[in-house]
Amino acid sequence: DTAVSQTPKYLVTQMGNDKSIKCEQNLGHDTMYWYKQDSKKFLKIMFSYNNKELIINETVPNRFSPKSPDKAHLNLHINSLELGDSAVYFCASRRRENTGELFFGEGSRLTVL
Amino acid sequence: AQSVAQPEDQVNVAEGNPLTVKCTYSVSGNPYLFWYVQYPNRGLQFLLKYITGDNLVKGSYGFEAEFNKSQTSFHLKKPSALVSDSALYFCGHYMNRDDKIIFGKGTRLHILP
Repeated sequence: DTAVSQTPKYLVTQMGNDKSIKCEQNLGHDTMYWYKQDSKKFLKIMFSYNNKELIINETVPNRFSPKSPDKAHLNLHINSLELGDSAVYFCASRRRENTGELFFGEGSRLTVL
Repeated sequence: AQSVAQPEDQVNVAEGNPLTVKCTYSVSGNPYLFWYVQYPNRGLQFLLKYITGDNLVKGSYGFEAEFNKSQTSFHLKKPSALVSDSALYFCGHYMNRDDKIIFGKGTRLHILP
């Protein structure tokens, strides 16, 4: 059983399009995150949710909108895609009381042409 | 600003030799420090953490890390490297106030057969 699953794994699209990445965790965790890993492998936190409530919104363009329909799901919708959005997006989750031990998904590689 | 730094982009070690991957931190208050490993085309996996207690922390796959407060370091170590240890390693710090983990830029570890 996959603990944190993301779909799609690969996404190739044109500039200006709108796309979504979905994330689901079956670990019963309370907190979920989106991270962006660029071509140099730098990891940057984008958002975090705790029990469907937005906790962190780093300086991410408004074109990025997370949505958490329930505490097991955290989706990422991106409007008007730009070349610079090309990256690998990782979803992660953790139990609220378990400081810092994140469980990551396999990543979704987004390529904007 | 609170941060962790990984001064080496790449570390090369011969198989069977001891390995060290360096991390230094700059945080206010008590540091909550972590090491994660990323294999190609995979998400990050938790290796070990330091919250409090013994300065030598043992983790997965035979790795350990030594917390050194005077040197503000948290270096990852392993007594005898395996080729399968070749991967990208990230040092991280949990920021309690913001409930997020920030990561260093990563160090690529190459174990030479």
